[in-house]
Amino acid sequence: AQKVTQAQTEISVVEKEDVTLDCVYETRDTTYYLFWYKQPPSGELVFLIRRNSFDEQNEISGRYSWNFQKSTSSFNFTITASQVVDSAVYFCALSEAYTGGGNKLTFGTGTQLKVEL
Amino acid sequence: SAVISQKPSRDICQRGTSLTIQCQVDSQVTMMFWYRQQPGQSLTLIATANQGSEATYESGFVIDKFPISRPNLTFSTLTVSNMSPEDSSIYLCSAKDVFTTDTQYFGPGTRLTVL
Repeated sequence: AQKVTQAQTEISVVEKEDVTLDCVYETRDTTYYLFWYKQPPSGELVFLIRRNSFDEQNEISGRYSWNFQKSTSSFNFTITASQVVDSAVYFCALSEAYTGGGNKLTFGTGTQLKVEL
Repeated sequence: SAVISQKPSRDICQRGTSLTIQCQVDSQVTMMFWYRQQPGQSLTLIATANQGSEATYESGFVIDKFPISRPNLTFSTLTVSNMSPEDSSIYLCSAKDVFTTDTQYFGPGTRLTVL
């Protein structure tokens, strides 16, 4: 069975601080995808990144960066120089990956990030 | 990426009634999904909406309570039947086209309150 753990329920930081959101996953699949989604107070789920299990390269997109370590089954997300607009709930998710079919997303419990002035 | 809209965006309903939520995608997609997010909780998959056949439900969800339609490749509906206050949640639709992407994109959600 697949499982995603986000141990940090809530994080509060002051604007311009760096913050890392942790994600640890469990799966028996050898091929899988990992995702991060952002859910602002409006409720919409916004896709941030997808990572294939074969691709362990870290990725940077503006102030966002992701560190994927297969050896520790972790896919952590760092926001550099946080801003108030980053305040949201962030979900890490895992799906199996196979051709020809849909893939069920297993979500973590989410981390509420509050960025204050 | 697919753009997904949902109607209604929110509703307040009385116990015992039913509500149908619509999900529209701006392009043809192979897979559509319905999720429930109870207050302060994570997302739980209700079912996969299959075009031209019955939906595939996850454990704990049944067709009588959550009937789903998928008449074509861009549209789906979820009905929450015989509602009780425990059904108060955000209901989210997502879509994925297996031939072009491995990512599910989500609609804005429907906030349902049952009194």
